[in-house]
Amino acid sequence: AQSVTQPDARVTVSEGASLQLRCKYSYSGTPYLFWYVQYPRQGLQLLLKYYSGDPVVQGVNGFEAEFSKSNSSFHLRKASVHWSDSAVYFCVLSLSNNRIFFGDGTQLVVKP
Amino acid sequence: EAAVTQSPRNKVAVTGGKVTLSCNQTNNHNNMYWYRQDTGHGLRLIHYSYGAGSTEKGDIPDGYKASRPSQENFSLILELATPSQTSVYFCASGLWGGANTLYFGAGTRLSVL
Repeated sequence: AQSVTQPDARVTVSEGASLQLRCKYSYSGTPYLFWYVQYPRQGLQLLLKYYSGDPVVQGVNGFEAEFSKSNSSFHLRKASVHWSDSAVYFCVLSLSNNRIFFGDGTQLVVKP
Repeated sequence: EAAVTQSPRNKVAVTGGKVTLSCNQTNNHNNMYWYRQDTGHGLRLIHYSYGAGSTEKGDIPDGYKASRPSQENFSLILELATPSQTSVYFCASGLWGGANTLYFGAGTRLSVL
């Protein structure tokens, strides 16, 4: 069965530090993978997406993610976080038949 | 800029009452979705639609109905609201196919007392 796992419910980092948010997916076919961000009291917004080609994809605000088929992973990274990056981040698996699977989200807290 | 607008933003309802949540999109997307978000559950799909006149059950449809009278509008209806339906509800729109981005509204915070 298809699924998405974000193993860390909450991650705390200091401002200026690097960040990695983990995402593992379960799907035997070719996945379409997304990271969305949700700021307080707002809907989800696209950060980046992967569906083919270079396994490292760039997104908005300095975020990038790396797809690994062998590890079934799509981890999100940022070299230096800012306090404004505090939000909830969702990893999403989308299939060509339109089925969409959300991870439970990782809350990122950036300490000043 | 893709736009999805939900109304109301906040709603307090009584148990047993009828609640209608509305969603309007100006993206000309065929697909529209209703999700609820609860702590510890992420987003769960309630109903979705592939176009005007169509509605499909998602993963947790019990206690909810949906209506898609036009390409732009998609409503979620709670005929007999219960406290367990207290949640934040999100509407989203998108094109068909796995590679397409979903565009979300800002959410409706519903409390059923």
